[in-house]
Parts: sequence; C-alpha cells; structure tokens
Amino acid sequence: EADIYQTPRYLVIGTGKKITLECSQTMGHDKMYWYQQDPGMELHLIHYSYGVNSTEKGDLSSESTVSRIRTEHFPLTLESARPSHTSQYLCASSDPRDPRAYEQYFGPGTRLTVT
Amino acid sequence: QKEVEQDPGPLSVPEGAIVSLNCTYSNSAFQYFMWYRQYSRKGPELLMYTYSSGNKEDGRFTAQVDKSSKYISLFIRDSQPSDSATYLCAMSAGFDAGGTSYGKLTFGQGTILTVHP
Repeated sequence: EADIYQTPRYLVIGTGKKITLECSQTMGHDKMYWYQQDPGMELHLIHYSYGVNSTEKGDLSSESTVSRIRTEHFPLTLESARPSHTSQYLCASSDPRDPRAYEQYFGPGTRLTVT
Repeated sequence: QKEVEQDPGPLSVPEGAIVSLNCTYSNSAFQYFMWYRQYSRKGPELLMYTYSSGNKEDGRFTAQVDKSSKYISLFIRDSQPSDSATYLCAMSAGFDAGGTSYGKLTFGQGTILTVHP
C-alpha cells in the first residue's frame, strides 16, 4: 500500500474561506502531483513538482496554489473558496529514478464542498 | 476533442463474466499505457502497465495495446464482486528525465464496473 496521506478526507466550508489541503508521502519521491476529479470525468492535473522549490501549473487552470519546501510535503491552498471549487482533490507521487517511474502512487483524496 | 476517450458505462455484469474495457486516443506520441483501478472513496492504484504495442497478462487481467488503431483494452476473466470499481486508462508520451511530458499522465474518464454475485 502506498505511503501517501491526505488530510482532511472530507471538508465542507463556506464561500470566501481560505483552505489548505495537506498531502504527505514517506517514500522520498521527488515528483508530486495534484489532480482534480469530478464524478464521471477524467483526472485533471492542476499542479506538479519536480522536487523541493519546484512547482509547475498543470493542464487544467486552477485558482489554487501549491508549495514544496520539503520533499515529503506538497500542500494545496485556496485563498478564497468558491462553490466552483467543489470537487475531489487527489495527490500523487512518483520516483523518476525508479524502474517503475511510470507509476504514480495516489493518496485517498480530499472531497471538498464549498457552500 | 479529448486526447483519451473512455466509455464511462456504468457496466454491470454477473460474477464469472468476461469484462472488456476500452479506450481510444488521438495522440500518436503516447508510448506508455496503464490501467488504474479506483475503489469507492480511495485513490487510484496501478493495475496494469504496457509499453508500446502488444499484450500483457497478469492473472485474470490482460491488457492489450494496438497503436496502429490507437486503441487499448483491459480484459478481466472470471470477474469477481471484488473487481467492482472504477477503471481508468492512462497514457504518457514518456518518462525520460527532462522534457515537458516527463511523468505526466493523461487519463480517460473511467468506467464504473459492478460485478454482482
């Protein structure tokens, strides 16, 4: 089982609040990712990181921001939550030096509802 | 047009049936093909991986890639209720160090499968 953790698992919050979704992995992976997943829709990459102090925007435009000041930690922040941010957020990691570099390990996800 | 198309189903089959899941894609640069399985309230986990064209078998699961038709399939033999999950195909152009496509996966929308006893 993958050692990648996300908190909280479920979050219901009012419009305008600032939120941070936590993601941590204990595998020492350099690459980490944030995906957004809506019911019946594909996973969309919103942010990724090659390592400490590296962050890039993904294919889907997002108002969220990320930081990577430690290898194991890749939090996602929304400064002002809106109902359009309601979705499931999945964090993943991979090891580019591993023979199975293609494999991404996913956390259990955070289901965010903005009222 | 989406780069990867996957029939979302839902698909409901009796226990013991053979299940066929499929994806088509448009990007000829894709070289790596994967199937992820996602149980309810869990993150996806890698189920099968194939590089370029061909077949790969692992127990009751067989993955097929036909690059000439830009078509990939996952077959599940003797399906079990524990196979009930969402199956997502995923593809990548490459995993070599460097390059903007490094490590990025493009996912299909997933097929919801229910195997009933």
